[in-house]
Amino acid sequence: DGGITQSPKYLFRKEGQNVTLSCEQNLNHDAMYWYRQDPGQGLRLIYYSQIVNDFQKGDIAEGYSVSREKKESFPLTVTSAQKNPTAFYLCASSIQGAIAYGYTFGSGTRLTVV
Amino acid sequence: KNEVEQSPQNLTAQEGEFITINCSYSVGISALHWLQQHPGGGIVSLFMLSSGKKKHGRLIATINIQEKHSSLHITASHPRDSAVYICAVTGSNYQLIWGAGTKLIIKP
Repeated sequence: DGGITQSPKYLFRKEGQNVTLSCEQNLNHDAMYWYRQDPGQGLRLIYYSQIVNDFQKGDIAEGYSVSREKKESFPLTVTSAQKNPTAFYLCASSIQGAIAYGYTFGSGTRLTVV
Repeated sequence: KNEVEQSPQNLTAQEGEFITINCSYSVGISALHWLQQHPGGGIVSLFMLSSGKKKHGRLIATINIQEKHSSLHITASHPRDSAVYICAVTGSNYQLIWGAGTKLIIKP
């Protein structure tokens, strides 16, 4: 079955370390997105990519980096510059980047920095 | 003021009750989404609508474009409906704008 796979589900890292979250989709979707969720708040867009080898900053891109070398994969790196990285991270994809088609979501990665 | 407001923030009801969750938005939209997030965190898309009403099983979603308001209804609620329900809209730049979610608990 097609879908989005995020791994790992839970991740613990020491403060100051970079960490990369994986997001893979086999839906042949063009666009992929990374969101951050904090308790009691709506999801906020970190980065999105509408096509391979291209990506755009979202509302809260500082302290994060991404790559889109393959259509299927959109990994997110949380760098040591991110001041408050502990959060729930959600990856999503859609058929067309800029048009309101349906979205498919991953199951998320909960990152805890200690 | 948030561009997408949901109410209530928390809702506890008894099994079998009719549930209504509301969503108001202040921006022009091309579509409105209702999504469900379970305790593990994964999100499932329930509805995407731009006008009128959609029904899937015990779930009904309506939207009033003039009033910039949408409702999600659950009939004959069941404990397995317990989750966070999120409203999101696709704005003029085609990105999703998210509400903060409504936490629903259905007691047996």
